[in-house]
Amino acid sequence: NAGVTQTPKFQVLKTGQSMTLQCAQDMNHEYMSWYRQDPGMGLRLIHYSVGAGITDQGEVPNGYNVSRSTTEDFPLRLLSAAPSQTSVYFCASADRGWGYGYTFGSGTRLTVV
Amino acid sequence: EDKVVQSPLSLVVHEGDTVTLNCSYEVTNFRSLLWYKQEKKAPTFLFMLTSSGIEKKSGRLSSILDKKELFSILNITATQTGDSAVYLCAVDLTGNQFYFGTGTSLTVIP
Repeated sequence: NAGVTQTPKFQVLKTGQSMTLQCAQDMNHEYMSWYRQDPGMGLRLIHYSVGAGITDQGEVPNGYNVSRSTTEDFPLRLLSAAPSQTSVYFCASADRGWGYGYTFGSGTRLTVV
Repeated sequence: EDKVVQSPLSLVVHEGDTVTLNCSYEVTNFRSLLWYKQEKKAPTFLFMLTSSGIEKKSGRLSSILDKKELFSILNITATQTGDSAVYLCAVDLTGNQFYFGTGTSLTVIP
């Protein structure tokens, strides 16, 4: 049972480049979300999904797109990378039952130069 | 504006000490409050609290919620070096959106 798998673990982008951070879970969880973590800022919600085909914006959605075509996958797209998007990105999933909170992936450290 | 404030920001204790971490919140909606432990990588779930006054306990860790005064505490007794981590508090606003505090960094010295 892999849990929540994020790829890549590390990435360096040039300003203006685009890329997709991958997230997959094998627990059949309905809820999935993307967070970014910056020093002194805590975890901030970028986008979330309550099921396949349903997504919504979180606290800091600008510059990011998501889609949820399957229950398992929830990719995060950076359309035109900016240095302000340098951060650690976490994907998380949760069961509808809610009793155990979110399970987080191991994170992607992204640097935009 | 929704706000979750954790205190202290950092803490250094010796093994065997007892520590209390604080989380206060001001949010428009409240469903539950969660505590996470974050070591080098991903946060791991500790507790979910939904009702006031009911203590959740797991080994040396325990937590309680006060919905009237809008805060929660996380207690760790007989601390060990393995407890060194950042402890995150999060408030669940709608069932889908968690609002996180900035965390308390705990260092336990042997």
